Amino acid sequence: GAGVSQSPSNKVTEKGKDVELRCDPISGHTALYWYRQSLGQGLEFLIYFQGNSAPDKSGLPSDRFSAERTGGSVSTLTIQRTQQEDSAVYLCASSSSKLHRFLNTGELFFGEGSRLTVL
Amino acid sequence: AQSVTQLGSHVSVSEGALVLLRCNYSSSVPPYLFWYVQYPNQGLQLLLKYTTGATLVKGINGFEAEFKKSETSFHLTKPSAHMSDAAEYFCAVTDNQAGTALIFGKGTTLSVSS
Repeated sequence: GAGVSQSPSNKVTEKGKDVELRCDPISGHTALYWYRQSLGQGLEFLIYFQGNSAPDKSGLPSDRFSAERTGGSVSTLTIQRTQQEDSAVYLCASSSSKLHRFLNTGELFFGEGSRLTVL
Repeated sequence: AQSVTQLGSHVSVSEGALVLLRCNYSSSVPPYLFWYVQYPNQGLQLLLKYTTGATLVKGINGFEAEFKKSETSFHLTKPSAHMSDAAEYFCAVTDNQAGTALIFGKGTTLSVSS
């Protein structure tokens, strides 16, 4: 597609339910990132994919959070047993740059985000 | 680990006035620095970036930023604000130790009044 596409754009769920958020990156982009944007907290890094593997998942806040990427393209972020503090906008970004140690100069292209509200 | 501090969560200027958004970073290795902008109800987009070479970098919409190693700063400026500049601005630095994600500041909301 022309840009990074995320779905759903808005999700309201009840505490304790599982949710899945989808990201469709720009075609050909090998790197994919998930960030969380909360009011007053800026952008919090969650996980990074290079191809289908996740060399850095250090930002996932708990074991309730997981993500996968298949076919080097679409990624799904899953939050199990949602809590109210999970409410935020979840942003996905992709990049064409091949990343290696000390040389991350790639521009990130962001989707418009998925707004999650946990009641 | 690297970090970014944006001084001032909210900056207000009049149309035509100078815009100055402050960013300081912490890094033990030469950083790569970025400014992103997020307009209301839109995704983030890159304004400008510093990697190597000239320390004064120019971006879109008349914005520029200067990398000052001695001050560990990368402040964003624009000589004359326009109403359309109202948005949230994020400074970011590479996490060179891991060579992976950009680390973002908490953002500064710019308001422009007529």
